[in-house]
Amino acid sequence: EIVMTQSPATLSVSPGERATLSCRASQSVSSNLAWYQQKPGQAPRLLIYGASTRATGIPARFSGSGSGTEFTLTISSLQSEDFAVYYCQQYNNWPITFGQGTRLEIK
Amino acid sequence: QVQLVESGGGVVQPGRSLRLSCAASGFTFSSYGMHWVRQAPGKGLEWVAVISYDGSNKYYADSVKGRFTISRDNSKNTLYLQMNSLRAEDTAVYYCAKTAVQGVSVDAFDIWGQGTMVTVSS
Repeated sequence: EIVMTQSPATLSVSPGERATLSCRASQSVSSNLAWYQQKPGQAPRLLIYGASTRATGIPARFSGSGSGTEFTLTISSLQSEDFAVYYCQQYNNWPITFGQGTRLEIK
Repeated sequence: QVQLVESGGGVVQPGRSLRLSCAASGFTFSSYGMHWVRQAPGKGLEWVAVISYDGSNKYYADSVKGRFTISRDNSKNTLYLQMNSLRAEDTAVYYCAKTAVQGVSVDAFDIWGQGTMVTVSS
């Protein structure tokens, strides 16, 4: 099983600033990596797939990069609605696995 | 619009069974692989099972293999999860999710249902 490790566990950032979230895979997942946003009481929402492609309707301030084992989600200028938990997911190998999540909180 | 609506959750005793349903609308259900993902209270996401678009292939997480069965009825646009021999550690919100690309079972999940809560407790 591929283990996905996200860092940091919690990130405190002020509105308008940039946030950088990391995800590391225990072995290569090529570019088969997705990022999801989850707000309290809601289902996850797909932000990024293929490591760097924004899903439909996702604002341009969200960007993804990386391949192989190291990935990054960047939010260029944080808006109030961006404070949430973010998960990475690999879909290169069975079983599909998720990272443990990064909580993005208001500083 | 594209929508997934889960139902069937509830409180059940350990060792008993429960069947979840996921009603799909707004897309060609029979063309997409479908997944179940769960989230224990206060915890992260755990993938549970997948079924191919035509039902011919199924994969399970080790934690549920032999106890859970995923199935689908393409004539009713509905996905199911039969859960047997339930344990306390199966307590979670269960989400159904749609694979983003048609015809494949493994891909990102572009549409999620709102989830249904399953509580296993005596």
